[in-house]
Amino acid sequence: QVQLQQSGAELVKPGSSVKISCKASGYTFTSYDMHWIKQQPGNGLEWIGWIYPGNGNTKYNQKFNGKATLTADKSSSTAYMQLSSLTSEDSAVYFCARSQTMGIRVMDAWGQGASVTVSS
Amino acid sequence: DIQMTQSPSLLSASVGDRVTLNCKASQNIYKNLAWYQQKLGEAPKLLIYNANSLQTGIPSRFSGSGSGTDFTLTISSLQPEDVATYFCQQYYSGYTFGAGTKLELK
Repeated sequence: QVQLQQSGAELVKPGSSVKISCKASGYTFTSYDMHWIKQQPGNGLEWIGWIYPGNGNTKYNQKFNGKATLTADKSSSTAYMQLSSLTSEDSAVYFCARSQTMGIRVMDAWGQGASVTVSS
Repeated sequence: DIQMTQSPSLLSASVGDRVTLNCKASQNIYKNLAWYQQKLGEAPKLLIYNANSLQTGIPSRFSGSGSGTDFTLTISSLQPEDVATYFCQQYYSGYTFGAGTKLELK
């Protein structure tokens, strides 16, 4: 079955960077988009962007340009999101989720979430 | 950017009740609307796509309707396991989620 396994919780200092991983299994990694979504307590869900691992194409929510960088490693079926210049506003749970590349591009499988806490 | 507004933000209902959740888009999104269920401490789960198509494996007591700017998620007979927060999402232009409706048992 389709599984997205994310890396563990991170405690990081303000001004630093963090890289979260999402390992996919149970489907052809290079044939689906991988999305990243931010969830802060009480703030709902925000779409950060997607990457198509087949060719590395990306699209970002303008709000996260310069904050998030999405990459993918086809050899290990793993997607990554790097967050830079971290502040307390980046403290959140981050989910990866896949969607079809064309057609109905909804998120039909999700990772369990990775908690990032930014604190000195 | 397309804004999604959900109502109510909190809904209390009894087991067996018919429950209706609402979602309104700031512009016409046709039928590019999905509903997700998120239980406490878990990732969201896709329930409905294309406004009214039931995702595989989702119980038939869940249904969706609407098009354009106004959409509804209905649970025909509320079960204890349906306690969760429900989010709508548009995928017509980028992706935007509503703020959610928290559903609790009365």
